[in-house]
Amino acid sequence: AQSVTQPDIHITVSEGASLELRCNYSYGATPYLFWYVQSPGQGLQLLLKYFSGDTLVQGIKGFEAEFKRSQSSFNLRKPSVHWSDAAEYFCAVGAVGGADGLTFGKGTHLIIQP
Amino acid sequence: GAVVSQHPSRVICKSGTSVKIECRSLDFQATTMFWYRQFPKQSLMLMATSNEGSKATYEQGVEKDKFLINHASLTLSTLTVTSAHPEDSSFYICSARPGVGMSGELFFGEGSRLTVL
Repeated sequence: AQSVTQPDIHITVSEGASLELRCNYSYGATPYLFWYVQSPGQGLQLLLKYFSGDTLVQGIKGFEAEFKRSQSSFNLRKPSVHWSDAAEYFCAVGAVGGADGLTFGKGTHLIIQP
Repeated sequence: GAVVSQHPSRVICKSGTSVKIECRSLDFQATTMFWYRQFPKQSLMLMATSNEGSKATYEQGVEKDKFLINHASLTLSTLTVTSAHPEDSSFYICSARPGVGMSGELFFGEGSRLTVL
């Protein structure tokens, strides 16, 4: 069965500092990997996704993520965070070409210090 | 990008009543939609897969008689919480994927917060 682990429940970063959110997955097939962001009381917004090809993917709002197959990881990074980045971040995995829903990690709550 | 809309965004109901939540894909057709449930400060748990023109597929532990799903058209799926109880209070989110067997990306609705008194 597939699973996604986000080991950090909360992360606090100073505004302007760099950010890395960790994500590890377990999946029996070739995975699709996603990062979503959720503001309080809102739905989810896609930040970026990896299907194939270049393992470093660029997303919206200055985020990027790197797929490392050997480590089963898909960590999210941003070189300089803004106060508006404070939110809940979810890593998710799905099947390539599949018709199933995604499996989500438990999320990482990002707090931005002034 | 593709837009998925949910209605209502918030609903409060009395215990024992039924509540219907709609999920619409506004600019694409979706043969498959997904319903997720999110408890406070928790992740999203897939409840069921809604298939246009056929019965929904429920995840283990989800009561299909409790959470009725109807996918009447290629742009509309509904979730009805029947005989709602306070423990059904949650944030329900739908998602849809354009086409079949495509990129795998899901587009999410804004969510519907259900509060059962």
